[in-house]
Amino acid sequence: EVQLVESGGGLVQPGRSLRLSCTASGFIFGDYAMSWVRQAPGKGLEWVGFIRSKTNRGTTEYAASVRGRFIISRDDSNGIAYMEMNSLKTEDTAVYYCTRGRAVTRESRLDYFDYWGQGILVTVSS
Amino acid sequence: DIQMTQSPSSVSASVGDRVTLTCRASQGISSWLAWYQQKPGKAPKLLIYAASNLQSGVPSRFSGSGSGTDFTLTISSLQPEDFATYYCQQSDSFPLTFGGGTKVEIK
Repeated sequence: EVQLVESGGGLVQPGRSLRLSCTASGFIFGDYAMSWVRQAPGKGLEWVGFIRSKTNRGTTEYAASVRGRFIISRDDSNGIAYMEMNSLKTEDTAVYYCTRGRAVTRESRLDYFDYWGQGILVTVSS
Repeated sequence: DIQMTQSPSSVSASVGDRVTLTCRASQGISSWLAWYQQKPGKAPKLLIYAASNLQSGVPSRFSGSGSGTDFTLTISSLQPEDFATYYCQQSDSFPLTFGGGTKVEIK
């Protein structure tokens, strides 16, 4: 059974940093892209960024709203994806979901998210 | 960025009804579209990918169609567990973007 479990969320002051972790199980972690999607309270879904598999060079893509502040990385040996969030802003307050990314054709693409974690709340407030 | 617009924003329907939700892209996205269902307090669940491909384990009453800019998600016979919010998502180009969602409520 595929499972994704987020950890590391909580309350943080504006301008500070936080690192989220996503521990995966039930599949060969290194074979898949991993992505983060967030949802502000009472709002819709927003794609944050993703990291390709090492087969696809492990490169990353980010939404403009977090580019330069958030960094996604992966530890294939332990099945963990990370997202380092720096210079946090109040508008980063959201539930953050770890997702497994899939491609329809070329594996370097990201087309949809077939498994989601339960989500973890990050609150940025003074 | 490609804007995804879903309509209506909410719909009231009864068990057994046929329900059609619409998603429109601000530019052509071929068939690079997915649909998700989200219930309150839960993570979204993938229903459809590549516009019309049913995800494994999803009931066959769900179907997707469309290409280019206009897409639909149809629930052929609404069941009690289908009351939720539905989101479309494009993957034609980065950044991936979601529609604002359509809430399916009980009439």
